[in-house]
Amino acid sequence: EVQLVESGGGLVQPGGSLKLSCVASGFTFSASSMHWVRQASGKGLEWVGRIRSKPNGYATAYGASVKGRFTISRDDSKNTAYLQMNSLKTEDTAVYYCTSDYSVLFDYWGQGNLVTVSS
Amino acid sequence: QSVLTQPPSASGTPGQRVSLSCSGSSSNIGSNYVYWYQQLPGTAPKLLIYRNNQRPSGVPDRFSGSKSGTSASLAISGLRSEDEADYYCVAKDDSLSGPWVFGGGTKLTVL
Repeated sequence: EVQLVESGGGLVQPGGSLKLSCVASGFTFSASSMHWVRQASGKGLEWVGRIRSKPNGYATAYGASVKGRFTISRDDSKNTAYLQMNSLKTEDTAVYYCTSDYSVLFDYWGQGNLVTVSS
Repeated sequence: QSVLTQPPSASGTPGQRVSLSCSGSSSNIGSNYVYWYQQLPGTAPKLLIYRNNQRPSGVPDRFSGSKSGTSASLAISGLRSEDEADYYCVAKDDSLSGPWVFGGGTKLTVL
């Protein structure tokens, strides 16, 4: 059974940092690109960014609203993807999902992890 | 303001056929595949349609996707109460908006 389990969310002050983790199981993690997608309360889905697999040079790409502040990384030995979020703003408050691109775009999803940016 | 445009709401009665639209441009839908995701209340999204019209295993054939030019559609036939959910279209964008852009989502209500 495929599972993506996220952790690391919580409350952080504006300007602060937070790092989310996403542990994968049930598929060949190292072969999959991994994405992060977020959803503010009552709003739609927004693509945050992705990291490709080793054969694709671990290439990263980011959405315009987070570029330069967020960094995606991965540790294939731990089947884990990370989202490092710096210089957080109140508008970054959302549920953050990790999702895979193993066979098809966004084929598996984590349960979501709430990040609240507030003073 | 989402790059892909979806009507915010749609509705239908049980057994009916409904069609949800997704409009884009030549840099996204016009030149790339479209994907559809279903999000039931309080849950993570789920893959419904990939590469315009392909269904993953386990998705009922009541769900079908199509694409024409810079627009795409998700059709649901034999509407059921459990289909009440938010539906999102996604496409790769070859412009600065990209790489991946979502529609704003359509909330489908089963009356």
